Amino acid sequence: DAGVTQSPTHLIKTRGQQVTLRCSPKSGHDTVSWYQQALGQGPQFIFQYYEEEERQRGNFPDRFSGHQFPNYSSELNVNALLLGDSALYLCASSLATGTGETQYFGPGTRLLVL
Amino acid sequence: GQQLNQSPQSMFIQEGEDVSMNCTSSSIFNTWLWYKQDPGEGPVLLIALYKAGELTSNGRLTAQFGITRKDSFLNISASIPSDVGIYFCAGTSSSGYALNFGKGTSLLVTP
Repeated sequence: DAGVTQSPTHLIKTRGQQVTLRCSPKSGHDTVSWYQQALGQGPQFIFQYYEEEERQRGNFPDRFSGHQFPNYSSELNVNALLLGDSALYLCASSLATGTGETQYFGPGTRLLVL
Repeated sequence: GQQLNQSPQSMFIQEGEDVSMNCTSSSIFNTWLWYKQDPGEGPVLLIALYKAGELTSNGRLTAQFGITRKDSFLNISASIPSDVGIYFCAGTSSSGYALNFGKGTSLLVTP
């Protein structure tokens, strides 16, 4: 039973560039959430995708966008990168049953913006 | 998102000791989850709680969903060196699907 997978594992970009991160959910899951985790902090919710639509969004600027594909995999796009976007980006998947769905995390993508 | 108050911030204990950490929120939560995260990796789910008052165990770990729905605790019995890591509480409120996280409890266990 494959768990949540993310790619790439590490990424280095420069300010102003754009980046795309990818996530494949755990087998049987249909919902994908994205989180940003700064060093020494807990993860912060970016947004959640269900049925190929953004179901809920956290307090992140429009530079952060996403997409969910028919096979439930998802992408996170960040435009006009800032130094402060350097963080561990986590993808979590769950099965849509209503509120309180249990989310399982992938290993994350470490993004460094120079 | 709402920030949860998690304590203690760090713990340094000897192998074999029991550990207790807790988490509080200013608003009611529908679920409480406890995760463990090792450096450079994603959080791993330890225990999920869905009902007020629920007490659930997973091996040496025990967690409870507070009666007020505004708090939860995690206990680890007879700690071992591989328990080292950062423990996060997280929860979802009635307003949505987002997980709100605490700042984590860093646990160090000496042999």
